[in-house]
Amino acid sequence: QLALTQSPSASASLGASVKLTCTLSSGHSGFAIAWHQKQPERGPRYLMNLNSDGSHRKGDGIPDRFSGSSSGAERYLIISSLQSEDEAEYYCQTWGTGFWVFGGGTKLTVL
Amino acid sequence: EVQLVESGGGLVQPGGSLRLSCAASGFTFSRYWMTWVRQAPGKGLEWVANIKEDGSEKYYVDSVKGRFTISRDNAKNSLYLQMNSLRAEDTAVYYCARNIFDWLSLFDYWGQGTLVTVSS
Repeated sequence: QLALTQSPSASASLGASVKLTCTLSSGHSGFAIAWHQKQPERGPRYLMNLNSDGSHRKGDGIPDRFSGSSSGAERYLIISSLQSEDEAEYYCQTWGTGFWVFGGGTKLTVL
Repeated sequence: EVQLVESGGGLVQPGGSLRLSCAASGFTFSRYWMTWVRQAPGKGLEWVANIKEDGSEKYYVDSVKGRFTISRDNAKNSLYLQMNSLRAEDTAVYYCARNIFDWLSLFDYWGQGTLVTVSS
């Protein structure tokens, strides 16, 4: 069954870099995913899509500080030069025939 | 500029009904699949329903099948979610989103959400 797994929380210091992980379920390692950011009291924001070979395309206005990479069933969101406004929940998302699925989300704390 | 503005949320008793609306602007609404996603308090994002450009295909998460109906009016650039037989577990902020295909089917623009509270 297609599913996405994310660690519930992560933290990193202001100005540092962080790598968030989204793991595809067994048998689905070739799937592409999307990353979305959810800041408190705001609607979600699409960040990028991410293919199994690590190629990715960002959404409108997404800073260069955000990038993605892949390894096997894992899909990564890398945020460099962390800023306070990056403190948010990050969700990966994919789809199957007739259904769409999100990972459980990672709450990123910027120290 | 793409804009999605939800409305229609509120407090409703268990077993009651509510109709959410999403007004779209800044793009040709009739050319896109559209989506409802929700976030319950303290929980993650959950896909709820999708509808094809012309309304001919609709998909729902199992937990709302038979209770919720997604629809659209392309002449009014509007998306709807009719919610019947509401339960406490339907309490959430509901977001509408535009659906595109770019290596996968994903949601590239989102609204700000409307809160639905199901409680007696």
